[in-house]
Amino acid sequence: EDQVTQSPEALRLQEGESSSLNCSYTVSGLRGLFWYRQDPGKGPEFLFTLYSAGEEKEKERLKATLTKKESFLHITAPKPEDSATYLCAVQAIAGNQFYFGTGTSLTVIP
Amino acid sequence: ETGVTQTPRHLVMGMTNKKSLKCEQHLGHNAMYWYKQSAKKPLELMFVYNFKEQTENNSVPSRFSPECPNSSHLFLHLHTLQPEDSALYLCASSRDRGQETQYFGPGTRLLVL
Repeated sequence: EDQVTQSPEALRLQEGESSSLNCSYTVSGLRGLFWYRQDPGKGPEFLFTLYSAGEEKEKERLKATLTKKESFLHITAPKPEDSATYLCAVQAIAGNQFYFGTGTSLTVIP
Repeated sequence: ETGVTQTPRHLVMGMTNKKSLKCEQHLGHNAMYWYKQSAKKPLELMFVYNFKEQTENNSVPSRFSPECPNSSHLFLHLHTLQPEDSALYLCASSRDRGQETQYFGPGTRLLVL
């Protein structure tokens, strides 16, 4: 069964304390893996798309990596404004089906 | 205005009311989507339109009725909803159904009393 699992469910970091969020997936064939950021009461904001194992993308303090079974979102020296829920989604080749995880709620404490 | 917009942002309705949610995308995309987001659950895909044609209906109850008059506009008509339908309803668009980087609107927070 195709699915996406994100961990941890919630993460509290001190400002400047680097960490990683995990997105594990099982899909028969991966077309793409997507990371989004969602602030409370708002829609998800697109961050990255990864297509193949070994691919990496960076944006400011965020870096996303991809293997054949999981993706990591690395946050380097986070700031309070990085506090949000980070969503992972995968698109399967079969039927172009799209699966979302439940997200990781990140809180960065000043 | 740029991106994906949704109106209203908040909606409170009784179970016997009829209301509509509106979505408009200014990105020149051909595919549009309705999602339901409930607390602690993954986003649930409800409907997909590609070039104005509905391509997916993920077993959504008939009290939700979508309408896509053109590639830029998407509506979700609501009638006789239940309290469990209270959620954040998100609209998204992508270049086409095969190009799946989806861009989301801000959502409509719906409360059914």
